[in-house]
Amino acid sequence: QSALTQPRSVSGSPGQSVAISCTGTSSDVGGYNYVSWYQQHPGKAPKLMLYDVSKRPSGVPDRFSGSKSGNTASLTISGLQAEDEADYYCCSFAGTYTPPFGGGTKLTVL
Amino acid sequence: EVHLVESGGGLVQPGGSLRLSCAASGFTFSSSWMTWVRQAPGKGLEWVAIINEDGRQRDYVDSVKGRFSISRDNGANSLYLQMNSLRAEDTAFYYCTRDRGYASFDMWGQGTMVTVSA
Repeated sequence: QSALTQPRSVSGSPGQSVAISCTGTSSDVGGYNYVSWYQQHPGKAPKLMLYDVSKRPSGVPDRFSGSKSGNTASLTISGLQAEDEADYYCCSFAGTYTPPFGGGTKLTVL
Repeated sequence: EVHLVESGGGLVQPGGSLRLSCAASGFTFSSSWMTWVRQAPGKGLEWVAIINEDGRQRDYVDSVKGRFSISRDNGANSLYLQMNSLRAEDTAFYYCTRDRGYASFDMWGQGTMVTVSA
């Protein structure tokens, strides 16, 4: 499986909203409503932020939301906070046990 | 509290072997699919291997097939990754994760570093 495509970096000011895209194909993102998103702070393990495109695990703020259109999924963070500065990765079910991840997006809070 | 704790990483020469372990606690390990995900230094995440609850179903990313073997001991609440014929490109942090299904991983260990170098 090829990696999913994410922008290398995005940025926003505190209080603003930012969106991170994740583009795949009809064999992964476009074919299933099973996209997950992970937040990773430097030196830390990834943390699940969204699954099944838009569902939030317990404890994840509702400032984090997800959507999908065609072969592209998006993670939107509203009301940006300093602690949101991190790397974000998407992952998609692709019909097999071997899911592709995106290359990662570095979010900078200005 | 839910915990996944990896161990067994280290420095190994190309062609060598290592066995990673992951100790699980705080959830019903024997009912959980488990995976290994790795991250090369400064790079993104890469799914490596998966195993089902009873160990009978396993799969691997193409680049490690025939070299890595995932296994588990439900009595010991432990997950393993036997890595043989290691290559420089296997150098990475290796994370043990709980797979909740359909490519979502809701628990992660702190990771263990594997360095393959002469």
